[in-house]
Amino acid sequence: GEQVEQRPPHLSVREGDSAVIICTYTDPNSYYFFWYKQEPGAGLQLLMKVFSSTEINEGQGFTVLLNKKDKQLSLNLTAAHPGDSAVYFCAVSGNYAQGLTFGLGTRVSVFP
Amino acid sequence: EAAVTQSPRNKVTVTGGNVTLSCRQTNSHNYMYWYRQDTGHGLRLIHYSYGAGNLQIGDVPDGYKATRTTQEDFFLLLELASPSQTSLYFCASSDGGGDEQYFGPGTRLTVL
Repeated sequence: GEQVEQRPPHLSVREGDSAVIICTYTDPNSYYFFWYKQEPGAGLQLLMKVFSSTEINEGQGFTVLLNKKDKQLSLNLTAAHPGDSAVYFCAVSGNYAQGLTFGLGTRVSVFP
Repeated sequence: EAAVTQSPRNKVTVTGGNVTLSCRQTNSHNYMYWYRQDTGHGLRLIHYSYGAGNLQIGDVPDGYKATRTTQEDFFLLLELASPSQTSLYFCASSDGGGDEQYFGPGTRLTVL
């Protein structure tokens, strides 16, 4: 089945700097891609959903890039601020409503 | 905004105990999911459902039963709890294939 590798597991970022998290998946038939953010004691909050036909999406303070050729999905925090401190998960699914396959998560800490 | 609630938020039981975790969604979503989150494993799918009375097995179903009584309610049952089931459990709902999943706040279960 699908496997998702996420790196790095930990990221320490100075406020105002950028940071990149990369996920590599195995199933070439994967169709939907997601980034979630988990703050301490909370559930997962959707940051962005990416379709197979979309390569780059910009959100509020971040950019998501999908590279289907290399089977990679990345999240770029463009100017980190303390509110970005959280655990970030990528998730992948096929073209049907089964569960998501998650990466192991990246713990991001933003320091002044 | 999508709303998924879980109860209890925290639960402690003993080995061999009987536990029921509850999830309710008020999004009118057809699909509901149970995941467990463990350090080193990320989130893993236990069971999911397409609608009332439907149940599908996920990736780590052993030791768990689930029941979807209504569109809104999805229950996870541990009939003979073991310490290996100590985990953080998340429920989620979605509208269909490829749609984002909305997560509840989680239930922390400890099996002594």
